[in-house]
Amino acid sequence: IAGITQAPTSQILAAGRRMTLRCTQDMRHNAMYWYRQDLGLGLRLIHYSNTAGTTGKGEVPDGYSVSRANTDDFPLTLASAVPSQTSVYFCASSQLYNSPLHFGNGTRLTVT
Amino acid sequence: GQQVMQIPQYQHVQEGEDFTTYCNSSTTLSNIQWYKQRPGGHPVFLIQLVKSGEVKKQKRLTFQFGEAKKNSSLHITATQTTDVGTYFCAGPSGTYKYIFGTGTRLKVLA
Repeated sequence: IAGITQAPTSQILAAGRRMTLRCTQDMRHNAMYWYRQDLGLGLRLIHYSNTAGTTGKGEVPDGYSVSRANTDDFPLTLASAVPSQTSVYFCASSQLYNSPLHFGNGTRLTVT
Repeated sequence: GQQVMQIPQYQHVQEGEDFTTYCNSSTTLSNIQWYKQRPGGHPVFLIQLVKSGEVKKQKRLTFQFGEAKKNSSLHITATQTTDVGTYFCAGPSGTYKYIFGTGTRLKVLA
C-alpha cells in the first residue's frame, strides 16, 4: 500500500542521546515535512523539504536537523535530546505546493 | 510570524447535535485545508478551499472560506459518534510550508 512509513513507532530516550527518526515515502512526492504534535499546541512544523537536496526551517527547528538525499527519505535527527522534545512526531508529504498533505502514522518519543 | 488559531479548543456535543469549529489566520491565505485526526491516529485530509466565499459540502460536513480569505469554518450537521476526533485547519506560509491551527477536539456523547 502506497504511503509514508515512519520508524520507530515509539521510543524512550535518555536526555543527551542522539536519535534519528526515519521517514520513507513511496508516492514520489516532491515535498516532505516533519511536524511535532503536543496537546493544546496542534501540529507545529519543524523542517520541510520541497525537493531532494533542499531543506528549510519551519516554526520550531531548534534542536533538530534533517537531510533529503533522495526523493523518498527524509530523516529527522535530534543531536542531543532534551525532555522538551517529548512529543509525537509526524512525517508528511505532498506532491506539489498547495497539494494535500499525506501523513505517516507518527513516532511517539519520550525523552527522560 | 503567521498564526492560525482555532476555536473552540474542545467541544462536547450530544449525538445528533450540530457542531462548528472556526479557524482564523493572522494573514490572508491563498487557500485553506481541513484535516481530521481520529484518536490515536494521524491527520487525514478532508478538503481544500481556494476561492473567497467558497462553500463546499461533504455529506453532513459544510466548509466555508471567508470573503477576506482570513477565516474558515467547518460545520457538522447531526453529529454521529464516528465524527469524534480533532479537526485542524491549515494554511500556506510562504512556499512549501503549511501552518496548522491549534485544532478543535470533538467528543460526541451517545
